[in-house]
Amino acid sequence: AQSVAQPEDQVNVAEGNPLTVKCTYSVSGNPYLFWYVQYPNRGLQFLLKYITGDNLVKGSYGFEAEFNKSQTSFHLKKPSALVSDSALYFCAVREGFVGNDMRFGAGTRLTVKP
Amino acid sequence: NAGVTQTPKFRVLKTGQSMTLLCAQDMNHEYMYWYRQDPGMGLRLIHYSVGEGTTAKGEVPDGYNVSRLKKQNFLLGLESAAPSQTSVYFCASSFRQYSNQPQHFGDGTRLSIL
Repeated sequence: AQSVAQPEDQVNVAEGNPLTVKCTYSVSGNPYLFWYVQYPNRGLQFLLKYITGDNLVKGSYGFEAEFNKSQTSFHLKKPSALVSDSALYFCAVREGFVGNDMRFGAGTRLTVKP
Repeated sequence: NAGVTQTPKFRVLKTGQSMTLLCAQDMNHEYMYWYRQDPGMGLRLIHYSVGEGTTAKGEVPDGYNVSRLKKQNFLLGLESAAPSQTSVYFCASSFRQYSNQPQHFGDGTRLSIL
């Protein structure tokens, strides 16, 4: 079965600095990888996904993520953080093509300080 | 543009009571899902449905039942509520093609079992 690990419960960055939220995964076949963001009292919102092709994926709100097959990682990045980026971020994995079951990481709380 | 709507938003139950959570989506999605979100554990899949009249167990199905009588609705039932079922419940939906489609989430139902 597939699984996801987000090794950091909390990430703190200063506004204007680059940010990275880490994610590693385990899956039998080809991975379909997703990042979601959750704001207080709201559901998860889709940010970006990796299915195939270019290892660098660009998504909403200036976020991007880099797929690294050898390290089984899919880290979320942004060149310049905003205070409004403060939220809970979830990485998720699904086995490509046949998987119905999406597994989520435990989440990383990002705090961007002015 | 409602997307995924969950009712109720909040509920407090006593141990042993029953209730049904309703999820409705207006995006003509084939797949629908119920998750629970607990601190430090991310989202865990309870049950899901790949189409009208079909349901399947997820990662944590015990104590819950579901029904998908109409394509747009997915019901989650607790027959005899237990304090361990205190959680935030999220419904999600997605298109069927392959497994590379992101899921769209409702804003959650916050359920407390006393």
